[in-house]
Amino acid sequence: DTQMTQSPSTLSASVGDRVTITCRASQYISDNLAWYQHKPGKLPKLLISKASTLHSGVPSRFSGSGSGTDFTLTISSLQPDDFATYYCQHYDNYCTFGQGTKLDFK
Amino acid sequence: QVHLVESGGGVVQAGGSLRLSCAASGFTFKSFAMHWVRQAPGKGLEWVALIWYDGSNTHYADSVKGRFNVSRDNSKNTIYLQMDNLRPEDTAVYHCARPYSMWSGYYFSDWGQGAQVNVSS
Repeated sequence: DTQMTQSPSTLSASVGDRVTITCRASQYISDNLAWYQHKPGKLPKLLISKASTLHSGVPSRFSGSGSGTDFTLTISSLQPDDFATYYCQHYDNYCTFGQGTKLDFK
Repeated sequence: QVHLVESGGGVVQAGGSLRLSCAASGFTFKSFAMHWVRQAPGKGLEWVALIWYDGSNTHYADSVKGRFNVSRDNSKNTIYLQMDNLRPEDTAVYHCARPYSMWSGYYFSDWGQGAQVNVSS
């Protein structure tokens, strides 16, 4: 099975910062990658699919890139509502989630 | 509006069994593959199982293979997760999840609130 490795595990940042989270697949997955935002007590929220397609209603400060095995999620200017845990997920052949990246206040 | 409601969670001793249900509404249930995803305390999301739209194919994470069984009843708009030989590491909130569309890959736009499963040693 394909394994997904996210880095960093924790990221401290401030409002207005530009942040990037990376996700690496253990084998080629084309662009079959999604990103989610997850806050405590809430359900995961789909942000991006097909590595770079923004889901409906997701602010344009979120963007995704990559193909093959290496992917990134970028938030161009952090807002207070963005502090959460972010997961990548491949769906190339069934599914696997990354271990998550917790984005907290610096 | 998509609505997914899990039930059947509880406390069970290691080696025991539980059966979770997920009742769906607001969409053409029989056309969608459905999934189970869990989150253990303090841990990340873990995909658990998949069942095709017609129940003809299933797939499991290695961590549950041979112990869990997913099924569905399209006449009742419900999927099930039979969990046998439970282990303490199966303690988690179990969510059912629906892919974004019938034709999209297995990424999830809709989630149930989850059912808590606690396995004591």
